[in-house]
Amino acid sequence: GAVVSQHPSWVICKSGTSVKIECRSLDFQATTMFWYRQFPKQSLMLMATSNEGSKATYEQGVEKDKFLINHASLTLSTLTVTSAHPEDSSFYICSANNAGDYLSGANVLTFGAGSRLTVL
Amino acid sequence: GDSVTQMEGPVTLSEEAFLTINCTYTATGYPSLFWYVQYPGEGLQLLLKATKADDKGSNKGFEATYRKETTSFHLEKGSVQVSDSAVYFCALSPLSGGYNKLIFGAGTRLAVHP
Repeated sequence: GAVVSQHPSWVICKSGTSVKIECRSLDFQATTMFWYRQFPKQSLMLMATSNEGSKATYEQGVEKDKFLINHASLTLSTLTVTSAHPEDSSFYICSANNAGDYLSGANVLTFGAGSRLTVL
Repeated sequence: GDSVTQMEGPVTLSEEAFLTINCTYTATGYPSLFWYVQYPGEGLQLLLKATKADDKGSNKGFEATYRKETTSFHLEKGSVQVSDSAVYFCALSPLSGGYNKLIFGAGTRLAVHP
C-alpha cells in the first residue's frame, strides 16, 4: 500500500537554530501534502496545506515565516522550523493525498509516522 | 468552528472485552467522519469512515455509526485483542474545507492486556 516516510523521526536542537523535516511519498505521487502539529494529549492541528509547485496555504494563526513549507516535487514536501524556540517543541506529522488512488476516494490520506522536535 | 471531542485515555481492557471509545463532533453542514488508528512507531491509518447520517463504517471488527441527532460517531468492538493496542483518533472532514482537510480529536490510547 501507499507509504509516507518522514525524516528525521526525532530531532533535538538548540534554541535559535533551524530544523528541516522531510515528508516523502515512497510509492505514489502526491499533489497535495498536509502538515500537522500535535501537542501532548491534544488534537492534531492542521498547520498548512502544501501543493506541488505552488505556495503553501497556512491555517489561521500559523506563522508562515516561522514554518517554511516547500513542495518542490510530487514526492517530497519539507517543513523548516526557523529560529526554533522551546515552545516549538512538538510532534509534527505529514500526510499525503494519493492523487492516483481513485478507488479509495479523495478523503483517504496516507500519514507519516511523525517527527518529534525538542528544542533546548 | 468545527471540532471533535473524544474520550480521554488511556483505556485499559482485558483481551476479549467490549470496547467503546466515544466521539462527538461540532460542525456545520454534513461532514464526513473517520476513525484513524496509530500503532506504535507507525503513521495514522484509516480504520473506517462514514459519509452521511446513519451510515455505519466497519473494518477489522470495529464499527461506528454516524448519528446526526446526537452528533456522535462512537467506535465499538465486541472483543478486543492485544494487537488492537494503539492510539485511536476520531476525525471529521468539514464540508467547506474540502475532502482532505481533516479535523482530529485528541486521540485515545487503548491498552489491551492478556
